[in-house]
Amino acid sequence: EVQLVESGGGLVNPGGSLRLSCSTSGFTFSHYDINWVRQAPGKGLEWVSSISGSSNYIYYADSVKGRFTVSRDYTKNSVSLQMNSLRAEDTAVYYCAREVDYYDIPPLYYFDYWGRGTLVVVSS
Amino acid sequence: SSELTQDPALSVALGQTVRITCQGDSLRNFYANWYQQKPGQAPSLVIYGKNKRPSGIPDRFSGSSSGNTASLTITGAQAEDEADYYCNSRDSSSNRLFGGGTKVTV
Repeated sequence: EVQLVESGGGLVNPGGSLRLSCSTSGFTFSHYDINWVRQAPGKGLEWVSSISGSSNYIYYADSVKGRFTVSRDYTKNSVSLQMNSLRAEDTAVYYCAREVDYYDIPPLYYFDYWGRGTLVVVSS
Repeated sequence: SSELTQDPALSVALGQTVRITCQGDSLRNFYANWYQQKPGQAPSLVIYGKNKRPSGIPDRFSGSSSGNTASLTITGAQAEDEADYYCNSRDSSSNRLFGGGTKVTV
C-alpha cells in the first residue's frame, strides 16, 4: 500500500525555520517525483516544490524560492522541506504528493497519492 | 501565462449535471488533472490525462479538453460529490500549476 506521511509542522516565529519530512512506503522511492503542495486556511492549493526521483531536477514556486530547500534521503525513503525565513503568509497545511510522470505525446503528469498534511503556523 | 482559472463556485441539483471548467495557456500543451477535496481531507485524484479515472472513481465523473480549456463533468451529481474541485497542470518551465478551485454545492 502506497503511503505518504508528513511530519514536522508546528508554530514558529516569523523569520524562523522549520523542517518538514515526508516519509514514504509501498513503492520504489527513486522512481517517482515528490512534490510539496500547501493550502493556507480557507484558501486553495498552491504548489511549493518538486524533486525528481534522482534528485537531479528540483523546482520551486517563486513565492518560496531562495527560502525553501527540498531534498531526498534514499536510506529512509523520505523527502524533506527545509523552510527558512518564514513569513506569516507561509502559514498553511503542507501536503506531500507522489507524482506520476508518463512520457507520452503530450506528456502526462499527475499526483496520484497524497499525505494527510502537516500544519505550519507562522506567528509571534 | 502560467495560471489556471476556475469559477469559484457552482451549484447543481441532486441528479443533475454540472460542468467545471479550467482555463489556461498551459492546457494547450499539457493535460489537466482534477482533484476532489472534502473539508478536513487531503485532495484526491478523480480525473487524469485524457479522461482517465483512478480505480474507485464513479463513471459519473468525466473529463474533456479543447484548446486552452479543460472540463470536469459530473453527470447525475450525488450528495457525496459536494466538495472543492481543483484542476492541475504544468507549464513549460516544469512549474506545477493549480487552479483556484471550484466549490460545488449539491
